[in-house]
Amino acid sequence: NAGVTQTPKFRVLKTGQSMTLLCAQDMNHEYMYWYRQDPGMGLRLIHYSVGEGTTAKGEVPDGYNVSRLKKQNFLLGLESAAPSQTSVYFCASSYRLAGGDEQFFGPGTRLTVL
Amino acid sequence: AQSVTQLDSHVSVSEGTPVLLRCNYSSSYSPSLFWYVQHPNKGLQLLLKYTSAATLVKGINGFEAEFKKSETSFHLTKPSAHMSDAAEYFCVVRPQGTGNQFYFGTGTSLTVIP
Repeated sequence: NAGVTQTPKFRVLKTGQSMTLLCAQDMNHEYMYWYRQDPGMGLRLIHYSVGEGTTAKGEVPDGYNVSRLKKQNFLLGLESAAPSQTSVYFCASSYRLAGGDEQFFGPGTRLTVL
Repeated sequence: AQSVTQLDSHVSVSEGTPVLLRCNYSSSYSPSLFWYVQHPNKGLQLLLKYTSAATLVKGINGFEAEFKKSETSFHLTKPSAHMSDAAEYFCVVRPQGTGNQFYFGTGTSLTVIP
C-alpha cells in the first residue's frame, strides 16, 4: 500500500496563477482532508470530504476549491494564487466515524507564491 | 467550542532524561485524543491515540500519554529521550458527535541535547 500520496511535492507560482494539488489514497477511506501548515499555527483545515461527490468547508476555505469525483482522490485548487497562500499543504484520510480512528497523512506539498 | 492548547511551544531536554509535552483540551463531548510527530520536512505520523478505553495509552518509540478527564489534559511522556526524538509534536482532539473534524494544537518543538 502506498498510503496517502500527494503531487507535486514542490511548486513555485507567480501571483495570479492557478494550480491543482492532487491527493490519492489506496486505503478505501471515506473521509479526506486538506490542511495547510504555517509556522507557529499548527495545521488548519481548508476543506474536507465525507465521501465521493461531497465536500465541506473547514476553518480557512477562502481562495481554495476542492473536488472529490472519485473516492480515492481529493483535489485542491487555487484559482488565483496569492502570496498569503505560501504554505505547506497536507492531505489526510481516515475511516468513516469509528470512534478514534486516526488520520493518515501524505508527505506534503511545499508551495511558494511569489 | 473545541480547542487544543499545547502549553509549551519549545521543549529542550538532555539525551537520556525524561520528556514531558503538555496538552490541554476543551471539548463539549467525550473526545478522542491523538499525538502526532512530525520530523523535519516530513508528514505527520501517529504516536498514540486515546479512544475511551484505558486512560494510560502506550504508543510507538516508548511514548505514552495519560488521559485525565478532571484536568482535561493529555500529556505526552517518555522516560528517556533519544536524539531521534527531536521533532515537532502535535496534540489533536476529535470530539465525538460533531462530525469527523480534528482540531490541532499549535505544536511543541522538542530539542534533544547530546
